[in-house]
Amino acid sequence: QKEVEQDPGPLSVPEGAIVSLNCTYSNSAFQYFMWYRQYSRKGPELLMYTYSSGNKEDGRFTAQVDKSSKYISLFIRDSQPSDSATYLCAMSVGAAGNKLTFGGGTRVLVKP
Amino acid sequence: GAVVSQHPSRVICKSGTSVKIECRSLDFQATTMFWYRQFPKKSLMLMATSNEGSKATYEQGVEKDKFLINHASLTLSTLTVTSAHPEDSSFYICSAFLTGNNEQFFGPGTRLTVL
Repeated sequence: QKEVEQDPGPLSVPEGAIVSLNCTYSNSAFQYFMWYRQYSRKGPELLMYTYSSGNKEDGRFTAQVDKSSKYISLFIRDSQPSDSATYLCAMSVGAAGNKLTFGGGTRVLVKP
Repeated sequence: GAVVSQHPSRVICKSGTSVKIECRSLDFQATTMFWYRQFPKKSLMLMATSNEGSKATYEQGVEKDKFLINHASLTLSTLTVTSAHPEDSSFYICSAFLTGNNEQFFGPGTRLTVL
C-alpha cells in the first residue's frame, strides 16, 4: 500500500464547475499537507499549505484536512480552462523543509 | 521572488556517459535542496536531500555512487548521473527550501533521455 493514494483521473469538468480532488494517507505522523499544480513538463507549483486538521481558503481554492480520517481535499471553484493541469497532494511529518511524500497526481481537464 | 532554475532543461546522451544537472536558487540562499525523479504520469519520488557543505542523504533504493550530488554553495546543487543507462531516462526535478517561507520551491525539471 502506498503511503499517499490519489486517483489519477483524468477528471473532466465543464468550465465554471467545482473541481473536487482528494487524497488519503496511511501515516498518522503527517502534520503538514500541501497541494501542488503541475503543468506538463514543468515543475510543481505550490497552491495551498495547511498544518494539521481544518480548512483553508485562498481565492478560488479551498483545502480541507481531516486527520481523523486521514483524508485531505482540494476544491477549485469557478474552474477555468487554465486550471487544466495535474494536481499533486504532498505531505510531510515535519515542516515543508523536510521530506515530502507525494500522491500520484490527478489530471484535471476543464473544458470551455 | 523564490525562483529555482535547472540546467539543462533537456539532455540526450548515449548509454555509458555521465550527465550533470544543475539546480540553482536564483534569488535566495538554500541550505537544503532536494532531488526528485518523476516517470511519465507518475508522481515525484524523492531521491536525496542535499545539504550545503555536507554529504547528501539518499532515500532507500537510490544508488549514491550512480547519482552523485554536490551542494557546493548556498545557491547551487548538482546531480550527476554516472554511466547512464536507458532505464535512467526520466524527468529530474530539484527543489530548494526557503527557510523564511517554510516552503520548497521547485525547478522546472530536466528531461533526461539515454539512448
